[in-house]
Amino acid sequence: AQSVTQLGSHVSVSEGALVLLRCNYSSSVPPYLFWYVQYPNQGLQLLLKYTTGATLVKGINGFEAEFKKSETSFHLTKPSAHMSDAAEYFCAVSASGYSTLTFGKGTMLLVSP
Amino acid sequence: GAGVSQSPSNKVTEKGKDVELRCDPISGHTALYWYRQSLGQGLEFLIYFQGNSAPDKSGLPSDRFSAERTGGSVSTLTIQRTQQEDSAVYLCASSLEGGVTEAFFGQGTRLTVV
Repeated sequence: AQSVTQLGSHVSVSEGALVLLRCNYSSSVPPYLFWYVQYPNQGLQLLLKYTTGATLVKGINGFEAEFKKSETSFHLTKPSAHMSDAAEYFCAVSASGYSTLTFGKGTMLLVSP
Repeated sequence: GAGVSQSPSNKVTEKGKDVELRCDPISGHTALYWYRQSLGQGLEFLIYFQGNSAPDKSGLPSDRFSAERTGGSVSTLTIQRTQQEDSAVYLCASSLEGGVTEAFFGQGTRLTVV
């Protein structure tokens, strides 16, 4: 079974500051890891994913995440926050490319001018 | 269509009534997923269809919930005798050949039970 823990239901940053959203997972098999973003009244949009290979994954909108097996983490970062980054972010894990996604409870990112 | 389409976008229903939520997946996608997003609960898996295989119903919370997928395309999620705790956003996703790495989500149906 898989599970995901996202530390912090809300994270506040200033525009231009580093964004760090934390995700830790539990999986009995090598995981597939994902970050999704949800803007108000919208569905989920895939930001980035880790399946195999390079542990530093780059996604859309300048976001990246690093898979650290020893820490069972997949934290999401962006060097400089924009106002448009304000949204809810979900980390998810899957046991393979052909099973369902297990999501964390989400982190709301607030960006202030 | 270009993306996953869900209807209605909003639904208000009275407690005890039945509701049907519809999902039109991306053309050619053989896998279809339903998730529920509730305040404080995050995203919960409900059911997964893959081609002609028997669906994975392990996430359905009670026997009041059911789903079907006709012709391998459109899916309908039915909730019978709705309760207030069923109020949530119901999200549908589809992917090509069951590859969750390429799942695309619809905008969801917001269900409010009054």
